[in-house]
Amino acid sequence: LAKTTQPISMDSYEGQEVNITCSHNNIATNDYITWYQQFPSQGPRFIIQGYKTKVTNEVASLFIPADRKSSTLSLPRVSLSDTAVYYCLVGFNSGGYQKVTFGTGTKLQVIP
Amino acid sequence: NAGVTQTPKFQVLKTGQSMTLQCAQDMNHEYMSWYRQDPGMGLRLIHYSVGAGITDQGEVPNGYNVSRSTTEDFPLRLLSAAPSQTSVYFCATSDKSRGTEAFFGQGTRLTVV
Repeated sequence: LAKTTQPISMDSYEGQEVNITCSHNNIATNDYITWYQQFPSQGPRFIIQGYKTKVTNEVASLFIPADRKSSTLSLPRVSLSDTAVYYCLVGFNSGGYQKVTFGTGTKLQVIP
Repeated sequence: NAGVTQTPKFQVLKTGQSMTLQCAQDMNHEYMSWYRQDPGMGLRLIHYSVGAGITDQGEVPNGYNVSRSTTEDFPLRLLSAAPSQTSVYFCATSDKSRGTEAFFGQGTRLTVV
């Protein structure tokens, strides 16, 4: 399983765009990149998933360069409610079960 | 539509006791899994199942048993609780057609004294 590296913590002011970068140098051809958000005392919540280039949904964008060795989660105009831990995962689902590894995540603190 | 339901939410056990953490889903997902999360850490996979009657070990399976007799339920059994098993336990489900998107329960906070 590919190992991921992300910053331990980040601070941002309300209303700013936040970019969290994840490094996954040994990503495999079949691997997808997935981001989860976790609030205290809750289970992780799926944010976005991508394979290459750019993916956008109603809450975030995911940028993946051509070599796929890193990815960047972009949260537009963060609010206090976006304060959480964000996990980058790399794993696959080829018809069998995907075994993904959660790292320690990035703790995002949004400041008023 | 409850999604993934875990019971109990909190539990205190004495060393050596056994118990079962329950996980039920109403999403008709084939895949179910159990994770544990220790303070300040990410989640570690304990056991998982790709369908009824099929289970396999994850990263940290020792001290835990699972079975999957139905699509909906995936209980986790602690055979003889130890203080090292003090943790928050999460159950998750996923659909094989949705890549690595998983749906997590609210967790069970277990303390072993």
